[in-house]
Amino acid sequence: NAGVMQNPRHLVRRRGQEARLRCSPMKGHSHVYWYRQLPEEGLKFMVYLQKENIIDESGMPKERFSAEFPKEGPSILRIQQVVRGDSAAYFCASSTLPDTQYFGPGTRLTVL
Amino acid sequence: ELKVEQNPLFLSMQEGKNYTIYCNYSTTSDRLYWYRQDPGKSLESLFVLLSNGAVKQEGRLMASLDTKARLSTLHITAAVHDLSATYFCAVGPAQKLVFGQGTRLTINP
Repeated sequence: NAGVMQNPRHLVRRRGQEARLRCSPMKGHSHVYWYRQLPEEGLKFMVYLQKENIIDESGMPKERFSAEFPKEGPSILRIQQVVRGDSAAYFCASSTLPDTQYFGPGTRLTVL
Repeated sequence: ELKVEQNPLFLSMQEGKNYTIYCNYSTTSDRLYWYRQDPGKSLESLFVLLSNGAVKQEGRLMASLDTKARLSTLHITAAVHDLSATYFCAVGPAQKLVFGQGTRLTINP
């Protein structure tokens, strides 16, 4: 049973470009969560999704950030017009019911 | 707003010693998690504590929860080098975890 998969593992973007981060949850998991981790800090909740629905996006910045979890395919976290402050590790987690979350390996975004 | 604080943030200890990491949280919550993170890696779930007085043990790690004091502890017994990592506590609800800052644990031979 494959774990949570994220790609790419490392992503480099120049300021103003778009970043797309993908997350495939564990088999059978329909709840997906995105977190951001700045260097030397804990994880900060961004958004919670179920298939085709955003349940809680209270941790998402109001501008430039969006997330989706379509009926088919992975969940996508999209960051438009990236800035240096977006450099961080972005982790996706999944669960069955709202329960113990299993984390993916993360995508480390570097904005030049 | 739920706040979660861990202490210490950095801990350097020798193999064979015992130590405790503390996790305080500000408002009532229904569950508390402990995770381990190795450098550059993802988070590994260690424990989930669901009720007052809950205690769970796995190897040299033992976690406990006091919901009245809003405090959880992660106790390390007879530390070994392999336990070097950053340890996070996180407080629920499950769909919106709030993480502590992490405790970076270094165990020296």
